[in-house]
Amino acid sequence: DAKTTQPTSMDCAEGRAANLPCNHSTISGNEYVYWYRQIHSQGPQYIIHGLKNNETNEMASLIITEDRKSSTLILPHATLRDTAVYYCIVRRGGGSNYKLTFGKGTLLTVNP
Amino acid sequence: DTEVTQTPKHLVMGMTNKKSLKCEQHMGHRAMYWYKQKAKKPPELMFVYSYEKLSINESVPSRFSPECPNSSLLNLHLHALQPEDSALYLCASSQGAGYSNQPQHFGDGTRLSIL
Repeated sequence: DAKTTQPTSMDCAEGRAANLPCNHSTISGNEYVYWYRQIHSQGPQYIIHGLKNNETNEMASLIITEDRKSSTLILPHATLRDTAVYYCIVRRGGGSNYKLTFGKGTLLTVNP
Repeated sequence: DTEVTQTPKHLVMGMTNKKSLKCEQHMGHRAMYWYKQKAKKPPELMFVYSYEKLSINESVPSRFSPECPNSSLLNLHLHALQPEDSALYLCASSQGAGYSNQPQHFGDGTRLSIL
């Protein structure tokens, strides 16, 4: 599975959009981009995933560049409860590929 | 709240004890996972069960023994653990083979301390 690069930490003001970047320049055609977050003392929480197209759900939007070498997770109106470590993971889909390899992630701190 | 339930939430045990961690899901998922997470580190995969059969063992020491009695339950039996095994143990589930692009859903973990 392709490796990802994320900033170590980011800050965001409450109520503003949080844009979390992820670089995955070695991604291959059948690899999906997943985003999870982990709030302190909880298990990782699935946020969103995508292959080529931009995706949106009730939690966030995922913007994938046309060459698929990078993506951005957007939390449209960040709240204090969005403070967490955000993991961007690239994983091959299909078959029986179950491995999910977490990197170091980005610590997002939402400030009042 | 998560749909993957782990018990107990906290466990303290001595190095000679035998204990078990339990994980349960009722989402009809056929793949279940154990991860280990040390403090300030990302989760690391330990075991994967697919359709109640062990599919992946990431070279985990034999003092950790997984068991999948049915499609909804996953256990992790612990025996003769070392202090360095103190960590957060996370269980996850997903739909299973043929749907491996579908996300894994995690429980909130068992925080294990070895005295």
